[in-house]
Amino acid sequence: GEDVEQSLFLSVREGDSSVINCTYTDSSSTYLYWYKQEPGAGLQLLTYIFSNMDMKQDQRLTVLLNKKDKHLSLRIADTQTGDSAIYFCAESTRNNDMRFGAGTRLTVKP
Amino acid sequence: DTEVTQTPKHLVMGMTNKKSLKCEQHMGHRAMYWYKQKAKKPPELMFVYSYEKLSINESVPSRFSPECPNSSLLNLHLHALQPEDSALYLCASSQDREAGGRKETQYFGPGTRLLVL
Repeated sequence: GEDVEQSLFLSVREGDSSVINCTYTDSSSTYLYWYKQEPGAGLQLLTYIFSNMDMKQDQRLTVLLNKKDKHLSLRIADTQTGDSAIYFCAESTRNNDMRFGAGTRLTVKP
Repeated sequence: DTEVTQTPKHLVMGMTNKKSLKCEQHMGHRAMYWYKQKAKKPPELMFVYSYEKLSINESVPSRFSPECPNSSLLNLHLHALQPEDSALYLCASSQDREAGGRKETQYFGPGTRLLVL
């Protein structure tokens, strides 16, 4: 299909790791992105990964890419209450525009 | 600096009003975008400007009229809107829209929350 798919909700306890999963559609996408959106705010670019990589680490964030299965994940280590937000997975399409998933609402419980 | 600014932050307008949303970036980006985001939904692309020319209009009603006065500014003129147009309007920019590399990475502004009464 044409959709980027994500589970809608994830709830974790403070200090645990969070893993948000995404499947995308376009095998020719050059970059895949994770954006964070806090309530009432715009989208903040968290990280991105080039399609010829399978892992990227940036402080508490680890992105894993399985190009064969078109599966992308975002792991947040030591999740904090400030990480509570909606996380959007996105792929760049053939005409270089962005296709977003529906977003995963992460809730971090103290 | 990866900042995209948008004004106003909030806007309430009646169905007969004319208003404008503004977006500005000083990163030297040559592609700018308008998105509409309804609650609990991902952003939906409305318009794309590339080198100050409109390159995509995603079948948006004519009551929304974009304008790109120069490479740093993007406006969205609103006229005779409907209550269902109430949403968060997001502006984004990228270095370029051409294929090949990080140039297509989009940076978003904080959005304008629009309420149409």
